Amino acid sequence: ELKVEQNPLFLSMQEGKNYTIYCNYSTTSDRLYWYRQDPGKSLESLFVLLSNGAVKQEGRLMASLDTKARLSTLHITAAVHDLSATYFCAVDLREYGNKLVFGAGTILRVKS
Amino acid sequence: NAGVTQTPKFQVLKTGQSMTLQCAQDMNHNSMYWYRQDPGMGLRLIYYSASEGTTDKGEVPNGYNVSRLNKREFSLRLESAAPSQTSVYFCASSSLDGVYQPQHFGDGTRLSIL
Repeated sequence: ELKVEQNPLFLSMQEGKNYTIYCNYSTTSDRLYWYRQDPGKSLESLFVLLSNGAVKQEGRLMASLDTKARLSTLHITAAVHDLSATYFCAVDLREYGNKLVFGAGTILRVKS
Repeated sequence: NAGVTQTPKFQVLKTGQSMTLQCAQDMNHNSMYWYRQDPGMGLRLIYYSASEGTTDKGEVPNGYNVSRLNKREFSLRLESAAPSQTSVYFCASSSLDGVYQPQHFGDGTRLSIL
């Protein structure tokens, strides 16, 4: 059974600071997705990581994937209030096509 | 460009009532999914349909049924609602054409069962 663990589950940080969210998973997969969810809203795709060593960046967010360590990171640089949201990683079960298993989510609050 | 449309957006049911949640996508995607989201647990897959005419159980299928009506539409039915099924339900769709794209999500249905 695939398990996906995110940590921390809650992160309160000051504007301008850097931090990393970690996503560990328990079985072989080389496809991992990061999503953002604002309160009461739907999920928005942030990054698609499709191979070992993949790195994607968009603005103040950078995601990476290490399939050997079964670890993905989402790094936040110089946080701003607009980044406050819940962030989910989701791992693709290779043998079932695009069926995803989600982590519990990291609630990020950026204080001004 | 509507994407994934879910109806209704909100619903309150009494225990034992039945209802169907509707989902439609206009992106010509092959695969469709139903998830439930509960606080602190992320999203859990209820059922999915890899292609028109097929459906399979996900992680938490008990108490639910699905119908893939055509390529566009995928419905979720609660035959006899229970308070444990109070949740936010999301429908999603994706293409399986060899290029891995993220799933696209609807806005959700907030369901309360009293």
